[in-house]
Amino acid sequence: EDQVTQSPEALRLQEGESSSLNCSYTVSGLRGLFWYRQDPGKGPEFLFTLYSAGEEKEKERLKATLTKKESFLHITAPKPEDSATYLCAVQEYNFNKFYFGSGTKLNVKP
Amino acid sequence: DGGITQSPKYLFRKEGQNVTLSCEQNLNHDAMYWYRQDPGQGLRLIYYSQIVNDFQKGDIAEGYSVSREKKESFPLTVTSAQKNPTAFYLCASTLGEGGYTFGSGTRLTVV
Repeated sequence: EDQVTQSPEALRLQEGESSSLNCSYTVSGLRGLFWYRQDPGKGPEFLFTLYSAGEEKEKERLKATLTKKESFLHITAPKPEDSATYLCAVQEYNFNKFYFGSGTKLNVKP
Repeated sequence: DGGITQSPKYLFRKEGQNVTLSCEQNLNHDAMYWYRQDPGQGLRLIYYSQIVNDFQKGDIAEGYSVSREKKESFPLTVTSAQKNPTAFYLCASTLGEGGYTFGSGTRLTVV
């Protein structure tokens, strides 16, 4: 069965302490991989789309990368306002469905 | 500005009662989706629709129903057959590529 697994489930960082979040997937044919940010009580907000291995996207302190089996969301010098749950989703070639991971809850302390 | 509007933000359901969650989009997207989010779990697909007057069951459709009479609207009814409806419900839409646009969600609680 197709799966998306995110790790770690929760991550605590000090302000300025860089780290990475992982999203591994096992869909048979990847059409796209998506990263979202979700604040408590709100809907997910789109961050990045990655389509092929080797692709990278950047936005402020965030950088997303993609290999054939996983994606990383690198957070450089995070700030407290980066605290949120980060969701990964994959879209298979039969693009009716997206598969979501359970998310990584990031807490950045000042 | 284009987007997805979900209402209400909070909803309380009594035992045996049906309730309807509203989802409206002005993005001109063809496909619309309903997801359920529970703490510590990924989003689970309830129903989706790729075109007006057509919809398909997702992974957890039991106890839910939908309609798609207009391109802009995709309401979700949580019926009394859904035994554990307390959750955060998210509506989303897409053109097919480029990922979803999500609404702000409805939190449903059984009282």
